[in-house]
Amino acid sequence: DGGITQSPKYLFRKEGQNVTLSCEQNLNHDAMYWYRQDPGQGLRLIYYSQIVNDFQKGDIAEGYSVSREKKESFPLTVTSAQKNPTAFYLCASSPTSTTPGEQYFGPGTRLTVT
Amino acid sequence: AQSVTQPDIHITVSEGASLELRCNYSYGATPYLFWYVQSPGQGLQLLLKYFSGDTLVQGIKGFEAEFKRSQSSFNLRKPSVHWSDAAEYFCAVGDSGGSNYKLTFGKGTLLTVNP
Repeated sequence: DGGITQSPKYLFRKEGQNVTLSCEQNLNHDAMYWYRQDPGQGLRLIYYSQIVNDFQKGDIAEGYSVSREKKESFPLTVTSAQKNPTAFYLCASSPTSTTPGEQYFGPGTRLTVT
Repeated sequence: AQSVTQPDIHITVSEGASLELRCNYSYGATPYLFWYVQSPGQGLQLLLKYFSGDTLVQGIKGFEAEFKRSQSSFNLRKPSVHWSDAAEYFCAVGDSGGSNYKLTFGKGTLLTVNP
C-alpha cells in the first residue's frame, strides 16, 4: 500500500526546543517537499529536494532545516530560531521535480509550541 | 512570479445545489493547474489537473474545471453538491519552466454544505 506517512500526527514542544518531524514515502518518488499551513494562508513551501543529498530552500526556510539521506525519507527540523513554529506541517512527494506533475500529500503533523 | 487568487474565502451552499469555486492565476507561460481538496486535519487530495488539450477537465467525485486563458481562470464546478463535499479547496499553479518544478497554492476556499 503505497503512500506518504508523517509522524506523529500531533506534537507538543516547549519554546526553545528543536523538534523533528518525520516524513516517509514508499512511492519511489524522487522529489519531496515540506509545506507549512496556517489558517487562511494556504500552503507555503519551506524546503524541497529533488534527489538524495540535495535540497533547496523554499519561500519560508528561515528557522527550519532538512536532510535527505535516503530517497524515502525527508525529515524536517523546526529549530528554536523559528519565531512562530505552531502550525500544521504537510509533506508531499512527486515522481520528479523536473517535469510537471501532481504532488501527493501525507496526512500532516500539527505542531504546537508553548 | 506566479500567483494564485481564490477570491472567496468561505462559501455556503445547500445540499443538491450547484457549486462554482473561483480561481485566478498569474503566470507568463502556459500554466499547469490543479485543484486539491482538504478535509479538516487531513492532507490534500488531488481532484483534477490541467496540463494541455481540452480546456474542460473532469476529476474525481463529480468535479470538473474549465481553463479559460483569456480570463486567467480555472474555476471548479459541481452540478449537485453532497454533504460530504464540505471541505477546504485549494487551487494551485505549477511552474512549467526552469529546473525545479514547484506548485504555488491559493489561500483556499472553505465550503460549507447546509442540509
